[in-house]
Amino acid sequence: DAGVTQSPTHLIKTRGQHVTLRCSPISGHKSVSWYQQVLGQGPQFIFQYYEKEERGRGNFPDRFSARQFPNYSSELNVNALLLGDSALYLCASRLNDRVIRTGELFFGEGSRLTVL
Amino acid sequence: GEDVEQSLFLSVREGDSSVINCTYTDSSSTYLYWYKQEPGAGLQLLTYIFSNMDMKQDQRLTVLLNKKDKHLSLRIADTQTGDSAIYFCAEIIAFRLIFGQGTELSVKP
Repeated sequence: DAGVTQSPTHLIKTRGQHVTLRCSPISGHKSVSWYQQVLGQGPQFIFQYYEKEERGRGNFPDRFSARQFPNYSSELNVNALLLGDSALYLCASRLNDRVIRTGELFFGEGSRLTVL
Repeated sequence: GEDVEQSLFLSVREGDSSVINCTYTDSSSTYLYWYKQEPGAGLQLLTYIFSNMDMKQDQRLTVLLNKKDKHLSLRIADTQTGDSAIYFCAEIIAFRLIFGQGTELSVKP
């Protein structure tokens, strides 16, 4: 079975541009979360989606938005990019339906964004 | 506030045991996690422990949880050079993971 897949793996943007990052969760997983990992730090929570609804949002500006599609894949959008948005963006998926509760939370390899 | 703390560096010799320590803040966390990150890669789930457990063993990995002190540790037996990486502990609060800064494990031959 495929794990969590993210695209693109690497990208370079300039300040003020917009970026869209994509994530496909593990088959059968309905919950997707996004994290930002700045170099040298632990990941920081951005969003969580479950059954296409936003269930949580971290302390990030409104330039950051996300959505989840009927097939449970997700997009993270960042507008008006700043130099400080340069980071590894990680997507995580979890089964977490109403019947099965599990602690297993799996991450993809991430999308490395460089803003020049 | 929410803060997960880890020591930043650990150096061991190949074949020794490694112990990575972590303190967390929220006693209501249901699960606590250990992730491994190799250079340029994503996060690999190593193991996790449910909060009503004191210990969990999985091959070379042993997790100890002290809820009273909010202390979590990861022991790696017979550490190998391939274990060199950054190790993150994390607690889950509601729907989100709170990570520590990571402990860089260096294994010397």
